[in-house]
Amino acid sequence: GQQLNQSPQSMFIQEGEDVSMNCTSSSIFNTWLWYKQDPGEGPVLLIALYKAGELTSNGRLTAQFGITRKDSFLNISASIPSDVGIYFCAGLTNMDSNYQLIWGAGTKLIIKP
Amino acid sequence: DTEVTQTPKHLVMGMTNKKSLKCEQHMGHRAMYWYKQKAKKPPELMFVYSYEKLSINESVPSRFSPECPNSSLLNLHLHALQPEDSALYLCASSLGTPPNYGYTFGSGTRLTVV
Repeated sequence: GQQLNQSPQSMFIQEGEDVSMNCTSSSIFNTWLWYKQDPGEGPVLLIALYKAGELTSNGRLTAQFGITRKDSFLNISASIPSDVGIYFCAGLTNMDSNYQLIWGAGTKLIIKP
Repeated sequence: DTEVTQTPKHLVMGMTNKKSLKCEQHMGHRAMYWYKQKAKKPPELMFVYSYEKLSINESVPSRFSPECPNSSLLNLHLHALQPEDSALYLCASSLGTPPNYGYTFGSGTRLTVV
């Protein structure tokens, strides 16, 4: 089946550092979604991307839809303690009723004290 | 209102119990979903309702029974669960299907089967 490879699996960073994570696949996607999940909560949508090459920002977060439509990255600038959590990418395969939403395995962000 | 509300937040049930999880949204979304999430894993799709009709059942065991009484409500009836069914159960909604603009998730119900 279709798979998304999300990396890194976890990151230990210092407060103030920039963070980068990405998702890659052998399949083409029409939409990329980036979610963040805090412990004991549901995922929250951070950024949605709809076109190849699209670069979208949401505050300190920036995400890009890869030109090949097979990858996407998420950058966080100047990390702060509330950025800790698990970040998931998800790719939508089709725009019709035969769609599939494929999830990455997640990137756990931990800020060193 | 931009929220998906799930109740209860926590549930402990025995293997012979019958319980229900509830989900509510008032955003006018026409698709609603049940997801199961194990620790440190991404959510796994269970059911999709589109315009109050079940459109996707991801081969979920019959001990899980979804119900969509109206466009704002989604229930998940539980009966004769197993300990391995313990997980975070997430409800989500989207404007339509496919979820081109992403889902709005609830906070989940943490289910423990004893």
